[in-house]
Amino acid sequence: RKEVEQDPGPFNVPEGATVAFNCTYSNSASQSFFWYRQDCRKEPKLLMSVYSSGNEDGRFTAQLNRASQYISLLIRDSKLSDSATYLCVVNTGGSYIPTFGRGTSLIVHP
Amino acid sequence: NAGVMQNPRHLVRRRGQEARLRCSPMKGHSHVYWYRQLPEEGLKFMVYLQKENIIDESGMPKERFSAEFPKEGPSILRIQQVVRGDSAAYFCASSLPTGGTTEAFFGQGTRLTVV
Repeated sequence: RKEVEQDPGPFNVPEGATVAFNCTYSNSASQSFFWYRQDCRKEPKLLMSVYSSGNEDGRFTAQLNRASQYISLLIRDSKLSDSATYLCVVNTGGSYIPTFGRGTSLIVHP
Repeated sequence: NAGVMQNPRHLVRRRGQEARLRCSPMKGHSHVYWYRQLPEEGLKFMVYLQKENIIDESGMPKERFSAEFPKEGPSILRIQQVVRGDSAAYFCASSLPTGGTTEAFFGQGTRLTVV
């Protein structure tokens, strides 16, 4: 079982749609959780941290379920500019190394 | 505060040559991570370093690859005797020394092409 798993997609949605991504992790001792965004041939950029209480930043909401070992990202009112790959990241292992899922591709079309 | 700086951005090497990739972390960051990304693939962890120490190199190939983060200067990822399969984007990230609870910030990457 991979340490961090994501559905690669692609998720193809119209502008204005709401879309949700899930990510599961295998190590129950994982420390911290993040969502990053990666545009084609660019570096990953932090989108938001994920807290146990959940957190919201504008159109983006992240949730953590430690019991079931998954995190989620909800994007409301999708924009064309949201088209990217969304990477789930878990700081895991004895050294809490940022470990990446393969990413979920989102395509928002007019 | 400059972000994570990687150079060169693009590097072309012939098979059998050496490749040296450099990474200067963000100011105040003492933790450096190197990742490799093949086309259409996710980021694969290679090595985690702190100043003058390799903390975890579980993702490094056993041969030809080495990494260092000296007391002064950038972190270096070195690939000896490159082969076509080494062609990839190599990303460096840095973070604060807070025990794995903080986010990592990435450089723009070095795209290595082996011809």
